[in-house]
Amino acid sequence: GAGVSQTPSNKVTEKGKYVELRCDPISGHTALYWYRQSLGQGPEFLIYFQGTGAADDSGLPNDRFFAVRPEGSVSTLKIQRTERGDSAVYLCASSSGSGANVLTFGAGSRLTVL
Amino acid sequence: AQKVTQAQTEISVVEKEDVTLDCVYETRDTTYYLFWYKQPPSGELVFLIRRNSFDEQNEISGRYSWNFQKSTSSFNFTITASQVVDSAVYFCARKAAGNKLTFGGGTRVLVKP
Repeated sequence: GAGVSQTPSNKVTEKGKYVELRCDPISGHTALYWYRQSLGQGPEFLIYFQGTGAADDSGLPNDRFFAVRPEGSVSTLKIQRTERGDSAVYLCASSSGSGANVLTFGAGSRLTVL
Repeated sequence: AQKVTQAQTEISVVEKEDVTLDCVYETRDTTYYLFWYKQPPSGELVFLIRRNSFDEQNEISGRYSWNFQKSTSSFNFTITASQVVDSAVYFCARKAAGNKLTFGGGTRVLVKP
């Protein structure tokens, strides 16, 4: 597609529920990133994929968070047993490679855990 | 962790004033890249500029200019003759080995008419 597409744009869930957030990167972009942005703060790195594999998942806060990219294109961020502290905007970005390549961001998925 | 610091959390100016946003970064790397992104109220991060650590030339793009000082680990951003449409949150970021882009906390710019 023309840009990075993220769905849903808004998700409200109850504490303890499971959620999935989807990212559709720019066609042909091999690198895909997930970030989390809390209110009033800068985006924080969660995980980076190069192709199908997670090249760096050091930003995932705990084992409730998991992400996949099975065919090297669309990625899903999965959060189990959601907590109120998980409320944030989850941003996805893609780039055509690594190194100096610029990340293009999607509009984000706003998650609210009640 | 190697941090990116944007000391100014919010700057308010009147239209046509110049505004400079400060960015200081930490790095142990020889090769790295610095970025500025704009986040308007719509929420989507918009890329503005990328610099590599070997290129200290200042850059101007329209009303935007950037001053990269490797000796002080700073990469400051100036908006000349600000306009209301410049109102947004601006983020400085650094990318080194490992491809992780590390962001500063952002500076909110409010341009009043």
